[in-house]
Amino acid sequence: GAGVSQTPSNKVTEKGKYVELRCDPISGHTALYWYRQSLGQGPEFLIYFQGTGAADDSGLPNDRFFAVRPEGSVSTLKIQRTERGDSAVYLCASSLVSTGELFFGEGSRLTVL
Amino acid sequence: GENVEQHPSTLSVQEGDSAVIKCTYSDSASNYFPWYKQELGKRPQLIIDIRSNVGEKKDQRIAVTLNKTAKHFSLHITETQPEDSAVYFCAASGDAGNMLTFGGGTRLMVKP
Repeated sequence: GAGVSQTPSNKVTEKGKYVELRCDPISGHTALYWYRQSLGQGPEFLIYFQGTGAADDSGLPNDRFFAVRPEGSVSTLKIQRTERGDSAVYLCASSLVSTGELFFGEGSRLTVL
Repeated sequence: GENVEQHPSTLSVQEGDSAVIKCTYSDSASNYFPWYKQELGKRPQLIIDIRSNVGEKKDQRIAVTLNKTAKHFSLHITETQPEDSAVYFCAASGDAGNMLTFGGGTRLMVKP
């Protein structure tokens, strides 16, 4: 596809459940980022991948959050034992090089009831 | 870590007027300052960016200025149009990996 694709676009789950959010970056983009955006706020950095490895995961709020990018393309953000405070839009972005323009996906809106 | 403050949080202007949004940052090592426009329910989209080796950059009705000494940068939109209405975010990052720290956003409303 032409842009960053994220699925699902909307996810409603119950407190305590496990959730996976998927990001398919622009083809050829080596850098991939996950951000979280709460209502009325700016995106908050979670994790950055360069290729297959997590180059910086300092933004992950706690050990319930984990992300992988096993083949250097698609990435999955995994959230265990979801809490109501995890409700937000999770944005994925990719860039051709680590110093290039970030292209964002439309986001996955997570609602934890 | 980096901290980016953005003002104002809301801005209402008449069509045709200019709009200015200001940001300050804390980390003197930051050297890349993009601005994103986000319409309701849509993805953030880059509208202009500036690197620390220049003080000003223009693209048609949009300009960005950077003062590295004072650690602040501003977005200027001239001849505003109703389609400029959106939330605008400033951001800053350093060399390593381009992890952006975003400001809190400015909701710009352009009244026809």
